[in-house]
Amino acid sequence: GQQVMQIPQYQHVQEGEDFTTYCNSSTTLSNIQWYKQRPGGHPVFLIQLVKSGEVKKQKRLTFQFGEAKKNSSLHITATQTTDVGTYFCAGPDAGGTSYGKLTFGQGTILTVHP
Amino acid sequence: AAGVIQSPRHLIKEKRETATLKCYPIPRHDTVYWYQQGPGQDPQFLISFYEKMQSDKGSIPDRFSAQQFSDYHSELNMSSLELGDSALYFCASEGAGSGTQYFGPGTRLLVL
Repeated sequence: GQQVMQIPQYQHVQEGEDFTTYCNSSTTLSNIQWYKQRPGGHPVFLIQLVKSGEVKKQKRLTFQFGEAKKNSSLHITATQTTDVGTYFCAGPDAGGTSYGKLTFGQGTILTVHP
Repeated sequence: AAGVIQSPRHLIKEKRETATLKCYPIPRHDTVYWYQQGPGQDPQFLISFYEKMQSDKGSIPDRFSAQQFSDYHSELNMSSLELGDSALYFCASEGAGSGTQYFGPGTRLLVL
């Protein structure tokens, strides 16, 4: 079945430093989604990327979808303590359709030291 | 905006007992997904429903069953609970094949 790998598993940064997490799928994805989960919380939808090579920005967050639609990255500029949490990428595993059950990456746990 | 509602938020059960988890999707969302998340793990897909019919099945034990009702809420029934069933159970809802899933706050199940 589809596998989604995510690195690094952990990232510790000082407040103000940048942070990047990378996601790689074993199969071509129709879209990729990013979620943030705070400790003790639930996954919160951040963004969905659909087009090959797509780049989207949300304030200090920049999301990229690879040209082959098999990899993606999330970059946070100048991290803040509020960025703490686990960042998951996820792709639909429904035979190439754009919806369906999500296969999640293992997540990257981000800690930010003030 | 209305979000996904799950109840109960916390549940403590003994081994071999049964549990029922409820999920109320975002209004006008027709698809519900159930995920199980163990400590330090990523969410694992269990089962999904579209328009009250089961649409997909993942790694859900035979001891578990689920359904979606006419008002689109869904229930996950878990029987013969085992210690290993202790986890966070999330319900996510999706509207009209949008591909975007919105997660509920989860039910934290502890089996003793």
